[in-house]
Amino acid sequence: DAGVIQSPRHEVTEMGQEVTLRCKPISGHDYLFWYRQTMMRGLELLIYFNNNVPIDDSGMPEDRFSAKMPNASFSTLKIQPSEPRDSAVYFCASSLGGTGLHTQYFGPGTRLTVL
Amino acid sequence: KQEVTQIPAALSVPEGENLVLNCSFTDSAIYNLQWFRQDPGKGLTSLLLIQSSQREQTSGRLNASLDKSSGRSTLYIAASQPGDSATYLCAVKTGANNLFFGTGTRLTVIP
Repeated sequence: DAGVIQSPRHEVTEMGQEVTLRCKPISGHDYLFWYRQTMMRGLELLIYFNNNVPIDDSGMPEDRFSAKMPNASFSTLKIQPSEPRDSAVYFCASSLGGTGLHTQYFGPGTRLTVL
Repeated sequence: KQEVTQIPAALSVPEGENLVLNCSFTDSAIYNLQWFRQDPGKGLTSLLLIQSSQREQTSGRLNASLDKSSGRSTLYIAASQPGDSATYLCAVKTGANNLFFGTGTRLTVIP
């Protein structure tokens, strides 16, 4: 399996622009997670889906952030409008089953820089 | 809210040494605890997962222990190698399917 795939790997944009991050989970996994990593706050869970349905979006920082999962093999995280403080590495992860038994597999991340 | 702390923040050891990384968490109501490795500019690689009912897990030169009642876990690395240099993160999983991460320990193994 190719693992969790994220694109782009790097994104540089200007403040106010729309940014879309993409994720393809491991085939067969029914949970998908979006995380953000910064030096100040470490890794934080933004939102997660189960069978394409958003379950908990309490980690989404504000209304500028939105996430969708139109099918089992694709998810997007959108920031509109972007701000410099959104600069971070965004990780997508997937797992099979959401109980305590299952590990999450992480993608390589998207490094976002907002100028 | 669950808080996860890792000490030390950075550690340098000569090759061949055994070492211990520490992780503590404030709420003992967890499903499991996981140790990850993160290389610079890369994603996270899962190393070991310990269920809340378990005391330890071993994989090769790695051994992770869990004392849920005291809110502590340790990752023991035997006979360290330069290739072990990375940031090590621990994360605890709560019933809400959430993973709370520590800030990590940056390990450097000096040849």
